[in-house]
Amino acid sequence: EVQLVESGGGLVLPGGSLRLSCAASGFTFSSFPMSWVRQAPGKGLEWVSSISGGGGTTYSADSVKGRFTISRDNSKNTLSLQMNSLRAEDTAVYYCAKRAPSEKYFDYWGQGTLVTLSS
Amino acid sequence: QSVLTQPPSVSGAPGQRVTISCSGSSSNIGTAYDVHWYQQLPGTAPKLLIYATSNRPSGVPDRFSGSKSGTSASLAITGLQAEDEADYYCQSYDSSLSGYVFGSGTKVTVL
Repeated sequence: EVQLVESGGGLVLPGGSLRLSCAASGFTFSSFPMSWVRQAPGKGLEWVSSISGGGGTTYSADSVKGRFTISRDNSKNTLSLQMNSLRAEDTAVYYCAKRAPSEKYFDYWGQGTLVTLSS
Repeated sequence: QSVLTQPPSVSGAPGQRVTISCSGSSSNIGTAYDVHWYQQLPGTAPKLLIYATSNRPSGVPDRFSGSKSGTSASLAITGLQAEDEADYYCQSYDSSLSGYVFGSGTKVTVL
């Protein structure tokens, strides 16, 4: 059974940093691209960043480019998102999502971790 | 401002059929990129509902169906049930943005 468990969310000051993690199990982690998708309170889904199975290719939404860095440790089946220079508009639930084989959609999602920006 | 446009809400009585539209452009739905649909029940994570326009993952009832024409797609729910009350999102890939794009989301209410 595929499981994705996010952690690391919390309350942070604007301008601060936070690192999210996603522990994956139930599939061959290194074989699949992974992504982060976020959802601001009461709003829709927004793709944040993606990384290839081997970790060599990453790409991000313009809204986070230069501030957020996605990475993965295939030896530990863990996906990470380093978030720097956080802004109020980064407040959201952050979901870890597994990409489907050879297709550009997400077949499994974690339960999400809440990041709140507040002074 | 979402790249894909959906109606904010649709509603129907139990047993009725409702449809949700998803309007895109030539750089996403209108190209070789497929459209996919997710269901988000209140307080939970999104769940894959339809992939590659019209395919259902194992366990998804055949009451849910999808279609695509040009730069638009639709999700239909037939025989509407109380448990279908949720938010629904379409998703594709955009070649101009080089990233995944989601619809604005549609809240389905069962009257």
